Amino acid sequence: LAKTTQPISMDSYEGQEVNITCSHNNIATNDYITWYQQFPSQGPRFIIQGYKTKVTNEVASLFIPADRKSSTLSLPRVSLSDTAVYYCLVTNAGKSTFGDGTTLTVKP
Amino acid sequence: EPEVTQTPSHQVTQMGQEVILRCVPISNHLYFYWYRQILGQKVEFLVSFYNNEISEKSEIFDDQFSVERPDGSNFTLKIRSTKLEDSAMYFCASRGLWNSPLHFGNGTRLTVT
Repeated sequence: LAKTTQPISMDSYEGQEVNITCSHNNIATNDYITWYQQFPSQGPRFIIQGYKTKVTNEVASLFIPADRKSSTLSLPRVSLSDTAVYYCLVTNAGKSTFGDGTTLTVKP
Repeated sequence: EPEVTQTPSHQVTQMGQEVILRCVPISNHLYFYWYRQILGQKVEFLVSFYNNEISEKSEIFDDQFSVERPDGSNFTLKIRSTKLEDSAMYFCASRGLWNSPLHFGNGTRLTVT
């Protein structure tokens, strides 16, 4: 599975849009890109998954360029409760390998 | 919304004892997983299970570990002889279709003393 690289941490303020970019240079044809959110002492929670172009759901958008070597998770108008660790994973049916994630801190 | 449930939420055991961590995956899911997370570290894959057999396992999943799906609803992780370094959060996950996302439970915190 392709290795992913994302920033270790990011700070934001309430109401701002946050974009977290993940690079996955060795992504394979059959791989999907999946993002999870994790709060302390809880299991990872699925946010969004995509293969290419743009995917949007009620909580986030995922932008994937044509070469698929990176992806950007966009969280509109974050609140304090969005403070969490965000993981970008390249998945292909079998195991999903978690990286170090991005710790997002939302400030008032 | 259906969810993965894990019991107990916290298990304390003495070194050398056997523990069984229990999970009830989402009912129509076919693929089952165990992950663990040592405090302050990243989530690590342990094992995947499909069609009543292990499909993949990591180097962490040695002979001390085993998994079982004893009936149509439960999925268990057994650690035969616990070590101090087994102390971690253990997460069960399941998925439905081949490339659908994983759904995680809220974990069992295992403390080995």
